[in-house]
Amino acid sequence: DIQMTQSPSTLSASVGDRVTITCRASQSISSWLAWYQQKPGKVPKVLIYDASTLESGVPSRFSGSGSGTEFTLTISSLRPDDFATYYCQQYKSFYTFGQGTKLEIK
Amino acid sequence: EVQLVQSGAEVKKPGESLRISCQGSGYSFTNYWIAWVRQMPGKGLEWMGIIFPGDSATYYRPSFQGQVSISADKSTSTAYLQWTSLKASDTATYYCARSGYCTRINCVTYSRFDPWGQGTLVTVSS
Repeated sequence: DIQMTQSPSTLSASVGDRVTITCRASQSISSWLAWYQQKPGKVPKVLIYDASTLESGVPSRFSGSGSGTEFTLTISSLRPDDFATYYCQQYKSFYTFGQGTKLEIK
Repeated sequence: EVQLVQSGAEVKKPGESLRISCQGSGYSFTNYWIAWVRQMPGKGLEWMGIIFPGDSATYYRPSFQGQVSISADKSTSTAYLQWTSLKASDTATYYCARSGYCTRINCVTYSRFDPWGQGTLVTVSS
């Protein structure tokens, strides 16, 4: 099993801030990584896939980077709509999600 | 439009059986894998298992093996998640999602989950 560890678990930030969430894999997953956003009571939405490819329709303030075992999701300038929980997911070998990062308003 | 539509919320008692569904439309259902994901109240996302409706090949995360069964009906473009004896700890929202594909030309076995069904809330309580 490939384990995925996200940090931090909770992140407090303000509108306009630049934030970064990190995801580490227990073994190399090349670039087989996706990032999802989930708001309370809503369906997860894919933001980034293949580590750095922006899903169609996702604002360009979201970006992803990394390969191997270390990955980051960056939001360049937080908007009110961005406060949500974010998950990484590996799809190198079956599937594993990270435990989630809750992005809260400071 | 590619869409997955899940069956409605269920309230069951411990020990009862249940089957929930996920119907695909807007694409070739038999060419894409369908995954099931559990989200317990206030918790994160857990991949449970996956099925390829084209040949019903099915894989389970070890912790879910023997606890649930996944199946698909090509004739109705519907995937199912089934329990024979529910427990209170099965209370959760269950999502289906489309992932990789396989055609005669090319196979991408693993891929991001997109789209997702709207989720089915299963409540198990005596």
